[in-house]
Amino acid sequence: AQSVSQHNHHVILSEAASLELGCNYSYGGTVNLFWYVQYPGQHLQLLLKYFSGDPLVKGIKGFEAEFIKSKFSFNLRKPSVQWSDTAEYFCAVNGYAGNNRKLIWGLGTSLAVNP
Amino acid sequence: GAGVSQSPSNKVTEKGKDVELRCDPISGHTALYWYRQSLGQGLEFLIYFQGNSAPDKSGLPSDRFSAERTGGSVSTLTIQRTQQEDSAVYLCASSPGLLAVTDTQYFGPGTRLTVL
Repeated sequence: AQSVSQHNHHVILSEAASLELGCNYSYGGTVNLFWYVQYPGQHLQLLLKYFSGDPLVKGIKGFEAEFIKSKFSFNLRKPSVQWSDTAEYFCAVNGYAGNNRKLIWGLGTSLAVNP
Repeated sequence: GAGVSQSPSNKVTEKGKDVELRCDPISGHTALYWYRQSLGQGLEFLIYFQGNSAPDKSGLPSDRFSAERTGGSVSTLTIQRTQQEDSAVYLCASSPGLLAVTDTQYFGPGTRLTVL
């Protein structure tokens, strides 16, 4: 079955701490991978995405993620978080080709950054 | 340019009533998606449109749920005889839709539906 697992449901960090949010997926075939972010009171926004090529992808606001095919993982990282990074983070996957466009989502990780 | 818009932003209804939720995609986007986000659960896919047709409606939870898209633009999600378990945030997304290999979905603000 297709699924996405986000290991951390709630993360609390202090400003300047490093961040790594885990994401593992189960999906047959080649995949596209996404991280979306939802800031308080705002709608979902794309943080970064992986389609092909360099497995280390960089997104907005200093975030990056690494696709490790052998581990079926796409972990999100940021070297130094800021208070403004407080948000809900969602990992998602869909099929690389064909008509399979629907995104399969993890349950999300709530990140709180203390100033 | 304008993003995906949804209306209403909030809807409170009584059990058994029908509701219609509207989505205006980004201009020029041929693909449109509906998802729902329930408390304590992740986002669930409901239906995907390419143009006016729906190649994938596998996520619609029951025959009380239906959706249509007209003119390759606006979409309406209709829930008939609402139940309390239908309470959720209903999200619409659109994407250029031309190539699956690079398609990215852009989300609207959602409609929060509360069924009393």
